Amino acid sequence: RKEVEQDPGPFNVPEGATVAFNCTYSNSASQSFFWYRQDCRKEPKLLMSVYSSGNEDGRFTAQLNRASQYISLLIRDSKLSDSATYLCVVEDAGNMLTFGGGTRLMVKP
Amino acid sequence: DGGITQSPKYLFRKEGQNVTLSCEQNLNHDAMYWYRQDPGQGLRLIYYSQIVNDFQKGDIAEGYSVSREKKESFPLTVTSAQKNPTAFYLCASRGWERGLYTEAFFGQGTRLTVV
Repeated sequence: RKEVEQDPGPFNVPEGATVAFNCTYSNSASQSFFWYRQDCRKEPKLLMSVYSSGNEDGRFTAQLNRASQYISLLIRDSKLSDSATYLCVVEDAGNMLTFGGGTRLMVKP
Repeated sequence: DGGITQSPKYLFRKEGQNVTLSCEQNLNHDAMYWYRQDPGQGLRLIYYSQIVNDFQKGDIAEGYSVSREKKESFPLTVTSAQKNPTAFYLCASRGWERGLYTEAFFGQGTRLTVV
């Protein structure tokens, strides 16, 4: 079993749609969680950290469920520019980051 | 502007050659990392260094070597022992602030192809 698992997609959605991604992790001692965005053939960039209470940044909402060991990312009112691969990242107690395989999102006009 | 720079952007290697990928950062970060990404897959850790003159193997260190002689620099050598080196290589760094590591900042990557 992979340490961090994501549905690879692609998720094809029309502009304006709401889309949600989940990510599961196997290490119950994981301490920090992040969503990174990676555009095609580019480097990953931090989209948002995920806090225990859940957090929102504009159209993006991230949530953490420690009991079930998953995190989620919700994107509302999708834009063409949201098309990218979204990487779930988990930090363990030793401050090491483990990356999921990514979920590809394609927003169509 | 502070950042992390990788070079070259594209690199072609012949069978049996060693090649070195450069990674330099001016963010004053202590921790630096090398990842490998294959098409459609996530990042896998090759080596990391949390302090100058010290580094540790990651999950897929075989066929690679690194050095950390300066805080700013963390070069990666892909040796001839790496049987399938064609991949996208990403260097990252993290700082330490108020008792926590910062987010990981990435260079723009080096795309290595064996010809």
